Amino acid sequence: DVKVTQSSRYLVKRTGEKVFLECVQDMDHENMFWYRQDPGLGLRLIYFSYDVKMKEKGDIPEGYSVSREKKERFSLILESASTNQTSMYLCASSPTGLATDTQYFGPGTRLTVL
Amino acid sequence: QKEVEQDPGPLSVPEGAIVSLNCTYSNSAFQYFMWYRQYSRKGPELLMYTYSSGNKEDGRFTAQVDKSSKYISLFIRDSQPSDSATYLCAMSLPNDYKLSFGAGTTVTVRA
Repeated sequence: DVKVTQSSRYLVKRTGEKVFLECVQDMDHENMFWYRQDPGLGLRLIYFSYDVKMKEKGDIPEGYSVSREKKERFSLILESASTNQTSMYLCASSPTGLATDTQYFGPGTRLTVL
Repeated sequence: QKEVEQDPGPLSVPEGAIVSLNCTYSNSAFQYFMWYRQYSRKGPELLMYTYSSGNKEDGRFTAQVDKSSKYISLFIRDSQPSDSATYLCAMSLPNDYKLSFGAGTTVTVRA
């Protein structure tokens, strides 16, 4: 079974803090994604990585950066957290970069920024 | 206007009922249509995937795509309490990595 794990289920941070969200997949997938999920808005893509050190901006990259130093690990960084970044963050991986390929999601990290 | 519209519900039905979910979309270039299921405190998981127009059946689940109306549906027959979840539609352009998601519809099946 594919397993995607995220470092924290719940996280509370203060405005202005630097926040790291970690995601690890164990299936040797090339592609990894970071989404945020908000009520009424669905999932929105923040960043996509198709290989180590390679990334592409998604629909809402502002205020976020990512790091992929190893194939299995994809980190989302909030350089200076703000209250409007309070959300559920979901990481996903897939064998190929095509949207038609199944994306396997982690359980999510609920981040609250005070 | 959002690219994909989905009524968030919530929808509550008795066990055994047919659940009908749908999404509308604005981009006529979408070719691939998916339904993801998300249980509480879990990430979404792919339920069904359809290419272009037509129907697809998988057990109690049927997905329909009507490209002329830009409308997709998911039907759940003989619904069970274990079907209680949020159902998200998603769609993509050909050869693209991006999925456009609906907001999700929360379904509760009452025993």
